[in-house]
Amino acid sequence: KAGVTQTPRYLIKTRGQQVTLSCSPISGHRSVSWYQQTPGQGLQFLFEYFSETQRNKGNFPGRFSGRQFSNSRSEMNVSTLELGDSALYLCASSLQGRSGEAFFGQGTRLTVV
Amino acid sequence: TQLLEQSPQFLSIQEGENLTVYCNSSSVFSSLQWYRQEPGEGPVLLVTVVTGGEVKKLKRLTFQFGDARKDSSLHITAAQTGDTGLYLCAGDHTGNQFYFGTGTSLTVIP
Repeated sequence: KAGVTQTPRYLIKTRGQQVTLSCSPISGHRSVSWYQQTPGQGLQFLFEYFSETQRNKGNFPGRFSGRQFSNSRSEMNVSTLELGDSALYLCASSLQGRSGEAFFGQGTRLTVV
Repeated sequence: TQLLEQSPQFLSIQEGENLTVYCNSSSVFSSLQWYRQEPGEGPVLLVTVVTGGEVKKLKRLTFQFGDARKDSSLHITAAQTGDTGLYLCAGDHTGNQFYFGTGTSLTVIP
């Protein structure tokens, strides 16, 4: 079956702009989690959506938001971009989330200039 | 402070050597998972350990979960260049989210 698909793969934005990233989970998976990965901080949890509801949220400012649609596809939005938002954004899908096994997409490499 | 500390942070070895990577915490985890991530790609799940003291083998990789479920190790026998990558442990501590370890970057030199 198809894996987790993230689009776009690469993105360059200017400070102050906003960006929307997309994630299509594995068919049948209802949980989608988003992570930010940087060399200095490693993998940091952003939030998790399950059945269109945000179930958990990490310690990120309100500029980071997300949503999940009825088909389980998820989008992540970052407003008022800062240079420090440059990172690899990873989406992971799982059947139930939480302690379930997570399958990651290839990520979206965001560069803020 | 990271909930899961991995050591070493960086490891460079010759092909054919053995190595062990550690994942430690002061907290108890209901399960721990190990992932390998290659540059520009997302992490790929290698194994999940659930029971304290559990040992799982995946070809040349041996994973162990500590008796108290606070730590785990990954041992690679006769490393190959294809083992190069970032190794991440991750666990569910609170039942609410995964916590990822700090990562171990492994380079296997031919």
